[in-house]
Amino acid sequence: DAGVIQSPRHEVTEMGQEVTLRCKPISGHDYLFWYRQTMMRGLELLIYFNNNVPIDDSGMPEDRFSAKMPNASFSTLKIQPSEPRDSAVYFCASKGRDTYGYTFGSGTRLTVV
Amino acid sequence: DQQVKQNSPSLSVQEGRISILNCDYTNSMFDYFLWYKKYPAEGPTFLISISSIKDKNEDGRFTVFLNKSAKHLSLHIVPSQPGDSAVYFCAASYNFNKFYFGSGTKLNVKP
Repeated sequence: DAGVIQSPRHEVTEMGQEVTLRCKPISGHDYLFWYRQTMMRGLELLIYFNNNVPIDDSGMPEDRFSAKMPNASFSTLKIQPSEPRDSAVYFCASKGRDTYGYTFGSGTRLTVV
Repeated sequence: DQQVKQNSPSLSVQEGRISILNCDYTNSMFDYFLWYKKYPAEGPTFLISISSIKDKNEDGRFTVFLNKSAKHLSLHIVPSQPGDSAVYFCAASYNFNKFYFGSGTKLNVKP
């Protein structure tokens, strides 16, 4: 298994532009999580899905953020419009029903200028 | 309000000595705890776990201690090696799905 795959690895965009981050979870995992890492707050959970259904989106900072999981093998996190304070590393992670820990992807480093 | 706190942003230890990383939590409902290690430009990787029915779990050089009354856990690495230099995150959960992470401690093991 190739693990959790995120794309792109790096994204630099101008303020006001739309940004879409992508994630492919491990096959068979039915939980998917989006986290954001910043220096100030460490790893924050933004949203998680179970069987493609959003379960908890209480960590999504604003309406500018949205996430979808159209099928079991793909999820997107969209920021529209992007702002400089959105600059962070965004991680996707997945988990099987009978496992406790997550498997993280390598992250997407987003820079909004 | 952060429910899991790692109050030491960094720690420096000599190779061969013990590294002790600390973590505090506020939610008494948490009953499962994980430690993750993260190298630069990589995602965090699972290191060791402990459930609230135990107060110690050991895996090779890594031992996690849990003090439920103090809402405190710690990770001990003995002996520390330069390859252990990384950022360490603790995480806690009450439903095995949603984990709350601390802000991380950067460990530097000096040769």
